[in-house]
Amino acid sequence: GQQVMQIPQYQHVQEGEDFTTYCNSSTTLSNIQWYKQRPGGHPVFLIQLVKSGEVKKQKRLTFQFGEAKKNSSLHITATQTTDVGTYFCASYNAGNNRKLIWGLGTSLAVNP
Amino acid sequence: DTEVTQTPKHLVMGMTNKKSLKCEQHMGHRAMYWYKQKAKKPPELMFVYSYEKLSINESVPSRFSPECPNSSLLNLHLHALQPEDSALYLCASSGRWDPQRGAQYFGPGTRLTVL
Repeated sequence: GQQVMQIPQYQHVQEGEDFTTYCNSSTTLSNIQWYKQRPGGHPVFLIQLVKSGEVKKQKRLTFQFGEAKKNSSLHITATQTTDVGTYFCASYNAGNNRKLIWGLGTSLAVNP
Repeated sequence: DTEVTQTPKHLVMGMTNKKSLKCEQHMGHRAMYWYKQKAKKPPELMFVYSYEKLSINESVPSRFSPECPNSSLLNLHLHALQPEDSALYLCASSGRWDPQRGAQYFGPGTRLTVL
């Protein structure tokens, strides 16, 4: 079945350093979504990408969808302590547009 | 208002108890979801309601019983749970007319402990 692989599992950075998390699939994805979950919190929708090669920015966050629509990345420039949390990518199952297939998440820790 | 509310925030129950989790959204979304999340794992889909009808049941044990009384409300009835059912239970909703079509908006969750 459709799977979304996410790396790295954990990342520890100094405040001010950049951070990137990657999602990969062996199959073409119709879309990719990114969510952030703070410690003790719930997933919060960040963005959805649907077009090949799409790049979207939200302040210090840059989201990319690969040309082949098989990979995506989230890049944070100059991390802050408020960026701490787990970042999940997710994509709707090809055969079922109500079921999200989730990556395992990247847990980001930021040292002040 | 992109808010989904859930009650209670915390629940401790014995294996013989019956309890219910409640979820409410007022965004006009017609798809609502129940997820189970264990620590350091992604959310695991349990049920999906679409237009108040159950459209997906991910082979969830019958001790979990969902209910959608109307388009704004979603319940999860719990009975005879096991300690391994202890987890964070998340409700979410999505709407095809939402500007971010397909985005799922999550409630804060109910942290369930089964003794």
